[in-house]
Amino acid sequence: EVQLVASGGNLVHPAGSLRLSCAASGFGFQPFFMAWVRQAPGKGLEWVATIHTDGSTAYYVDSVKGRFTISRDNARNSVFLQMNSLRAGDTAVYYCARVFGGNSFIDFWGPGTLVTVSP
Amino acid sequence: SSELTQDPAVSVALGQTVKITCQGDNLRIYYACWYQQKPGQAPLLVNCDGRSRPSGIPDRFSASRSGPTASLTITGAQAEDEADYYCNTRDRGDYQLFGGGTKVTVL
Repeated sequence: EVQLVASGGNLVHPAGSLRLSCAASGFGFQPFFMAWVRQAPGKGLEWVATIHTDGSTAYYVDSVKGRFTISRDNARNSVFLQMNSLRAGDTAVYYCARVFGGNSFIDFWGPGTLVTVSP
Repeated sequence: SSELTQDPAVSVALGQTVKITCQGDNLRIYYACWYQQKPGQAPLLVNCDGRSRPSGIPDRFSASRSGPTASLTITGAQAEDEADYYCNTRDRGDYQLFGGGTKVTVL
C-alpha cells in the first residue's frame, strides 16, 4: 500500500522557520519526482515545489522562491521542505505528493500537515 | 501569468450527468488531470484526459480536453461524488498549476 506520511507542521511566528518531512513507503521511491502542495484554510490547492528523482533539480512557485527548499534522501525514502522567513500567507495544510511519469502529474497524495504562521 | 479557471459550484440531481469544466491556455499544450477532495481529506486523482482511470475510480468519471478547455464528466452522479474537484496541468514544462476548484453538490 502506497503511503506518504507528512510531519513537522506546527505553529510558528512570522519570520520563523520550519522543516517538514515526508516518509514514503509501499513503492519504489527513487524513480519518482516528489512534490509539496499546500492548501490555505478554506481555499484551493497551490503547488509549492517539485524535486527531481536524484535531488539535482528543484522547481518552486514564485511566492516561495528564495525562502523554501525542497530536498530528498533516497536512502531513507524521504522528502523534506525547509521553510524560512515564514509569512502569514504561508499558513496552510501542506501535502506531500508523488509525481508520476517523470514530472507529469501527481498521482498520490498523503494526508498533509498543518502549518500556522501567527504572532 | 498562467491560470486555470473553474466554475465555483455546480449541482446535479442524483443519477444525472454533470460536466465540470476548466479553461486555460496551457490546456492547448498539456493534458489535464482532475482531483476529488472531500472535507478533511487529501485530494484523490480521479482521471487525466488521454489516460486510463486509476484503480478503484468508477467508470462514471471521464476526462476530456479540447483546445483550451478540459472537462470532467460524471455520468450518473452518486451521493458520494459530492466533493470539491480541482483541475491541474503543467506550466512552463516543469511547474504545476491548479484551478480554483468546483464544489459539486448532488441533490
